[in-house]
This record gives sequence, structure tokens and C-alpha cells, in this order.
Amino acid sequence: GAGVSQSPRYKVAKRGQDVALRCDPISGHVSLFWYQQALGQGPEFLTYFQNEAQLDKSGLPSDRFFAERPEGSVSTLKIQRTQQEDSAVYLCASSLAYSATNEKLFFGSGTQLSVL
Amino acid sequence: DAKTTQPNSMESNEEEPVHLPCNHSTISGTDYIHWYRQLPSQGPEYVIHGLTSNVNNRMASLAIAEDRKSSTLILHRATLRDAAVYYCILRVGRGAQKLVFGQGTRLTINP
Repeated sequence: GAGVSQSPRYKVAKRGQDVALRCDPISGHVSLFWYQQALGQGPEFLTYFQNEAQLDKSGLPSDRFFAERPEGSVSTLKIQRTQQEDSAVYLCASSLAYSATNEKLFFGSGTQLSVL
Repeated sequence: DAKTTQPNSMESNEEEPVHLPCNHSTISGTDYIHWYRQLPSQGPEYVIHGLTSNVNNRMASLAIAEDRKSSTLILHRATLRDAAVYYCILRVGRGAQKLVFGQGTRLTINP
């Protein structure tokens, strides 16, 4: 399909386990964003890539969270030693251009992470 | 980050127009007003955006106050599929790349 694809759709992890969440942005999109959405809340920004460069990681809640986009396309969000408070939906979004204020973002359906 | 204020929830009837308000009194001259909506179990979906002039597209219309301190998203004829959380977001014009979501307005459509 032509949209942003995220996998897995659902992930259940035991506390302390490491997880990796994948995002396939729309082909050719320069900008890629990760958001975290807790139940009943709006999405919260985690990090932003422009091609392979991570330009903003101010929203990552701790050093257990790590994101990469090594070839400027697919991105992976990794969470080490998961905790119950990490349970949330993780959303990926991409946009075409460098200048974002006038650009629209395309979101994937998210990965729902449940930490037991 | 520039802040917006929206009602927590609104309710309307099917096939009637819906006006979703948003206040953004701290907006600056280069900030774009964006609207996204999120249907249940889906990621947010772009609806519309504007800077100064009113905007129309196939999904909705955006009416922006003359002083730009408020705006209204207008769904001309609501359907049950329009039931969603609607987010009004300011996209700052100084190189910031991220969308900052608030709580949004949960719109319920009655059949």
C-alpha cells in the first residue's frame, strides 16, 4: 500500500524485555516522526528524523528509548528493559518535505505495546 | 510550544453541520493552524490547514478569525464516520518540525 506501515500491530512484552517497533514510511518521504499515545490522551512527540539524521530526540522519556533510521527510510524504535509505564500506542508519521510547517503528516495505525 | 484550547467533547446529529472551535490566542504571524482527526484504533489523519485565509477541501472548511486568535473547523454534513477526536494544532513557523497535540475534542455523531 501507499501509506505508512507499522509492525507489529500488537506487541505484548514481559517487564524487563527489550522490544523493537518498525516503521515503513511512505516512499520518498524525508521526515519521519515517532509519537507515543497513552490511553485517552493525545499523541506525544518522541523523536524526529530528517533522512537518516535524528534532529530532535527531546521527547524520548529515558535512555531506555532509542530510535534509528540508518538508510533514511525504514525506522526502528527500540525500548530496552520495558516497564509497565511504557504501555501505549506508538505512532509513526512521515512527511514529504524538509520544511514542515506547511506540510501534512501521514500517520500509521500504530503499534499497541502492552507490558505485563 | 504554542497552545490551543478546545472543548473536551461535542455532540451533533447526522447530516447536520458541525462547528468545532479552537482558541489560540498566543499565535504568531507565521504559525499555521492545522487540524487532524483520529478515528478509533487508527493513527491521526490530516484534515485541513491554513494561515490567514479561510480554506476549503473535500473533507471540511477552516474558518480563521481576522485576528487569528481563534479558528473553527466546519464539517458541512456530518456522517457517522466523522465521529472521532479532532485536534487543533499550531505549527510554529520558526523551523520546529513537530506537531504538538493537545487533548482534542471528542465528536459524537447521533444517527
